[in-house]
Amino acid sequence: QQQVKQSPQSLIVQKGGISIINCAYENTAFDYFPWYQQFPGKGPALLIAIRPDVSEKKEGRFTISFNKSAKQFSLHIMDSQPGDSATYFCAAGASGSARQLTFGSGTQLTVLP
Amino acid sequence: GAVVSQHPSRVICKSGTSVKIECRSLDFQATTMFWYRQFPKKSLMLMATSNEGSKATYEQGVEKDKFLINHASLTLSTLTVTSAHPEDSSFYICSAREISGLPYEQYFGPGTRLTVT
Repeated sequence: QQQVKQSPQSLIVQKGGISIINCAYENTAFDYFPWYQQFPGKGPALLIAIRPDVSEKKEGRFTISFNKSAKQFSLHIMDSQPGDSATYFCAAGASGSARQLTFGSGTQLTVLP
Repeated sequence: GAVVSQHPSRVICKSGTSVKIECRSLDFQATTMFWYRQFPKKSLMLMATSNEGSKATYEQGVEKDKFLINHASLTLSTLTVTSAHPEDSSFYICSAREISGLPYEQYFGPGTRLTVT
């Protein structure tokens, strides 16, 4: 089965710090890489996504860095805030009739006040 | 923005009974809806993909006779857990893809917590 490996499993950051979450994939057919944020008891919400034709995408405090040759991508949260405390999932999608997403295992981020 | 609702948000049922979970796209039409299952502190596991008016496509290892999926309209898909057992207790999440939206973009519902006693 297609896999996306995510690390770390959990992350604790001080308020104002930078949170970095990494993902790696094997399937070169993946051509869409989103990040989702999930709060307890809620469904995931799309944060930011990138296509492999660019190496970086920034939206506010959130940045995706993408390394096609290494088959890795990461999420950077600048100026982390306690309200960012949540579980973050990376995912990857491949062209196909269903364009399903394969999710990473998740990272529980805690931002200390 | 695109909103997906699920009903109920929480349900407790006795072992052996069936439970139906509804997933609705409130302000858009969804050709495709996905059903996921999530265990505590775990990732989302895709159970099945359903397209309006056709049979759902189930992922390997998911019992189609146990998890009945119906996608009768462009705004509604239902998941029925038949003859539920305690091991079916989980957080079930649906997502929907808009007809005119970006190819991969999925909007997720808030999830349904199922507890089977």
